[in-house]
Amino acid sequence: KAGVTQTPRYLIKTRGQQVTLSCSPISGHRSVSWYQQTPGQGLQFLFEYFSETQRNKGNFPGRFSGRQFSNSRSEMNVSTLELGDSALYLCASSLGLDRSTDTQYFGPGTRLTVL
Amino acid sequence: GIQVEQSPPDLILQEGANSTLRCNFSDSVNNLQWFHQNPWGQLINLFYIPSGTKQNGRLSATTVATERYSLLYISSSQTTDSGVYFCAVSPGNTPLVFGKGTRLSVIA
Repeated sequence: KAGVTQTPRYLIKTRGQQVTLSCSPISGHRSVSWYQQTPGQGLQFLFEYFSETQRNKGNFPGRFSGRQFSNSRSEMNVSTLELGDSALYLCASSLGLDRSTDTQYFGPGTRLTVL
Repeated sequence: GIQVEQSPPDLILQEGANSTLRCNFSDSVNNLQWFHQNPWGQLINLFYIPSGTKQNGRLSATTVATERYSLLYISSSQTTDSGVYFCAVSPGNTPLVFGKGTRLSVIA
């Protein structure tokens, strides 16, 4: 079974630009969660999508958005990039049916650098 | 919200040594997972363990839910065990909350 894939793996942007990251979950998984990892803040939850609907959202500004397609693939978008958005963006997939037993599987991440 | 504290923050071991990593959480949970992040950033799921004890090779984990802590044991450590170990919990129908991790360095 193929794992979680994320594209691109590395990205360099300049302040003010926008960026779109993609995540393909494990086949059969309907939940996709996004996390931002920085040295200072650790792993922080961005949002979760389940069956094309946003189910939860973390404490991030509206510049961060996402969506999920009918095949469960998900994209996240960051508009008007700031230097502080430089981070490793991780996507995790899970079955999503029962939170108490849900096991998350992570992709390799996209490392975003904002200059 | 729920707080997750991991200790120690850093650990340096000689190859072959054993170690215990701890995760304390501030509220009841129904989901607890341990992850290993390798030096390339990949997070690998080690255990789903909201309670009880599990073992997988040289790794084992124990969660005492009533006392709100979990332990990850690494025996006969190898250099490939190096990386950051995260504990993540969820108290209910909410996303996982991650601790700040324990950075492990195993020296040959």
